[in-house]
Amino acid sequence: EPEVTQTPSHQVTQMGQEVILRCVPISNHLYFYWYRQILGQKVEFLVSFYNNEISEKSEIFDDQFSVERPDGSNFTLKIRSTKLEDSAMYFCATKERSNQPQHFGDGTRLSIL
Amino acid sequence: AQKVTQAQTEISVVEKEDVTLDCVYETRDTTYYLFWYKQPPSGELVFLIRRNSFDEQNEISGRYSWNFQKSTSSFNFTITASQVVDSAVYFCALSEEKNYGQNFVFGPGTRLSVLP
Repeated sequence: EPEVTQTPSHQVTQMGQEVILRCVPISNHLYFYWYRQILGQKVEFLVSFYNNEISEKSEIFDDQFSVERPDGSNFTLKIRSTKLEDSAMYFCATKERSNQPQHFGDGTRLSIL
Repeated sequence: AQKVTQAQTEISVVEKEDVTLDCVYETRDTTYYLFWYKQPPSGELVFLIRRNSFDEQNEISGRYSWNFQKSTSSFNFTITASQVVDSAVYFCALSEEKNYGQNFVFGPGTRLSVLP
């Protein structure tokens, strides 16, 4: 069964550095999402992306964050000038059509030192 | 606004006991979807079920069953004859229909510990 693939599985970065988290969607999927889960807490919506633009974003998704599909396949989340509180598990999710369920990747665990 | 409540923060049961995880949701939409996900210690989210707002039929899948009641805005999840491998955090989630697809609102999760 096709899967959403996220790389790396674990990223360790110094505070203040930029980090890029990558997601390879299932091939015919058109809707893309990023979620964040701080350790021990619930999964929170960050941003949704459709037709090469952000369709919705949460309050968490401030100017520090950006998303893009640089080559039409990978879907990336960039965090500029990382902070300690950015340490979390980041999940990518994709889906084929509006009324279809989202498929989640296995997540990237981001640790900011 | 959407909201999902999972009142049970942690539950411990002994193997072979039945356990029910509660989920109560709030939404103003008439079209929405409800989900359950399992998050084992390894961290990934494992999809268990999706139910749309027009389908109130209860579902059974092996040892798992779900009870959807619109009248009480609840979507409860029961594990029958629990096993140690069921130990995980379980998230209930709600998704509303929007122009560009939906995003999810997750509940806070219930940590289930099944003891041998």
